[in-house]
Amino acid sequence: DTEVTQTPKHLVMGMTNKKSLKCEQHMGHRAMYWYKQKAKKPPELMFVYSYEKLSINESVPSRFSPECPNSSLLNLHLHALQPEDSALYLCASSRLAGGSYEQYFGPGTRLTVT
Amino acid sequence: QQQVKQSPQSLIVQKGGISIINCAYENTAFDYFPWYQQFPGKGPALLIAIRPDVSEKKEGRFTISFNKSAKQFSLHIMDSQPGDSATYFCAASISGTYKYIFGTGTRLKVLA
Repeated sequence: DTEVTQTPKHLVMGMTNKKSLKCEQHMGHRAMYWYKQKAKKPPELMFVYSYEKLSINESVPSRFSPECPNSSLLNLHLHALQPEDSALYLCASSRLAGGSYEQYFGPGTRLTVT
Repeated sequence: QQQVKQSPQSLIVQKGGISIINCAYENTAFDYFPWYQQFPGKGPALLIAIRPDVSEKKEGRFTISFNKSAKQFSLHIMDSQPGDSATYFCAASISGTYKYIFGTGTRLKVLA
């Protein structure tokens, strides 16, 4: 099973709202990722967690706050977003050892900030 | 040096034809090269991947050709079908760094 699930599929929020995106995988992967993807562009890495610890933060604004409660779950907390933050938010996971680092992506959450 | 250049930006192929997408890189430290297929509104799906110790890898109708000396790799889709119409991204990575450098994407349309 190479499935990464994400909820919700769609989210519309105002600039003063607080919301969270959720991601789950049951492949035993110990690395999990958040990406942002704008239309007709490749995914842009935001955060990487390895062994539930934040390993990489690609200088993401603090209005995005990641959280990794356990090895299967990854959250992205959103607060005071701007309209330009509207995008497809993708979660991915991968192994950390064994020579293969295939990243498996979830279906994404389509976020619209009004 | 961290860029991966992908071409063409868009591609139209007749059903049954061969689709070819090319990528080039500069950083010789890259040692893992995956290809992803993405349909509108969906997440990227891993298609096929290659490491520099082989020059070609085939999975069904999809083949990666890898030229280490030229620092280029390409995706060939044989017998292209309308269901292959999607955006394809190449990527490059250094093992253990977690980071993928993606190409800019190729929008493929296969005409019925």
